[in-house]
Parts: sequence; structure tokens; C-alpha cells
Amino acid sequence: NAGVTQTPKFRVLKTGQSMTLLCAQDMNHEYMYWYRQDPGMGLRLIHYSVGEGTTAKGEVPDGYNVSRLKKQNFLLGLESAAPSQTSVYFCASSLWTSVQETQYFGPGTRLLVL
Amino acid sequence: SQQGEEDPQALSIQEGENATMNCSYKTSINNLQWYRQNSGRGLVHLILIRSNEREKHSGRLRVTLDTSKKSSSLLITASRAADTASYFCATDAIQGAQKLVFGQGTRLTINP
Repeated sequence: NAGVTQTPKFRVLKTGQSMTLLCAQDMNHEYMYWYRQDPGMGLRLIHYSVGEGTTAKGEVPDGYNVSRLKKQNFLLGLESAAPSQTSVYFCASSLWTSVQETQYFGPGTRLLVL
Repeated sequence: SQQGEEDPQALSIQEGENATMNCSYKTSINNLQWYRQNSGRGLVHLILIRSNEREKHSGRLRVTLDTSKKSSSLLITASRAADTASYFCATDAIQGAQKLVFGQGTRLTINP
């Protein structure tokens, strides 16, 4: 089991460029999440998905879009990157019972927007 | 706004000592989780305690939960250099249980 993987690991963008971050999980989890982490801070939820074909906004969704076309993949898109989006992005997945269970995290993608 | 708030923000102790970190939250929860993050890495789940539990152990970890005070503590006994990391608490509010809200973390440094 690879668990949760993220590509790319590191990316540099110029302001206004677009990119897509890919998250993949092989644990058959229903729930997937995208977070951002800024220096010295905890994680802030960008978007999440409770199943294939569904997405929902988190705490800081502006400037990002997501898609969950396949259960195992969750894509995060930046349409027009801004320096404020410089951050480390983490993807996570979890099972769902009737409450939130353990989340399994990927290794992160470091994004620098110049 | 953050649901969980950790205290202290940073903690530095000698190897072999015990480390205690605290977490406070604002709304009623289903469960509370603790995660560890080594520098530059993703978060790793440590322990989950449900709202009807008061204490839970896992190896050198001991977690307590006081729902009346809306607080939790994580105790790491007999600390090791490898315990150096940031520790985060995360809660799922009963209203909105499909997601976790993370605190800002406690940065723990174990000095050899």
C-alpha cells in the first residue's frame, strides 16, 4: 500500500499561472481533503470531498477549485496563482463511519508563487 | 476561526523528561485526535479519543479529555530525541462532523 501520494513534490509558479496538484489514495477511502499549511501555522481546510463526484468548500476555498472524478483521486487546481498561495499543500483521506475517523496524510507539495 | 488551540506554542525539555501539551476547543465534539508532524513531512496520526472517553493510552502516550472544560492533554513520557516534532490536536465538531479542525500546534524540542 502506497497510502496517500501527492504530485508534484515541489513547484515554482509565476503570478497568474495555473497548475493542478494531484492526490491519490489506495485505501478505498470515501473522504478526501486538501489543506494548506503556512509557516508556524496549523492546517487550514481548502476543499473536501465525501465521495466520488462530490466536493465541498472548507475554510479557505477562494482561488482554488477541486474535482473528484474517481474515488481514488482528488485534484486541486489553482486557476491564476497569487503570491498569497505560496504554501505547503497536504492531501488527506479517511474512512467515514458516523463520525470523523483517522485522516491519513500525503507528504505534501511545496508551492512557491513568485 | 480555529477550533483547537494548543498550549504551549513551543516546549523544550531534556531527553528522558515528560512532555505535556494542552488543547482547548470551543464547540461540542464527537472525538479529538492528536497528530505529529516531523519537519517538512506530512502529519501522522497518534491517537483518537472519543467524547465518551476520559483517558487513553498508546505506548508512551497518554491522552486525557475533559468535555466539561472542552480541553485535552497529551503526555509523552520518557521523551526521546526522535519525539522532536510539532504536535497538533484536531476536533470534529458535532455540527459539521465531516471534517477536522486543527489547532496551530505545539513545537516540541527534545534536547539530548
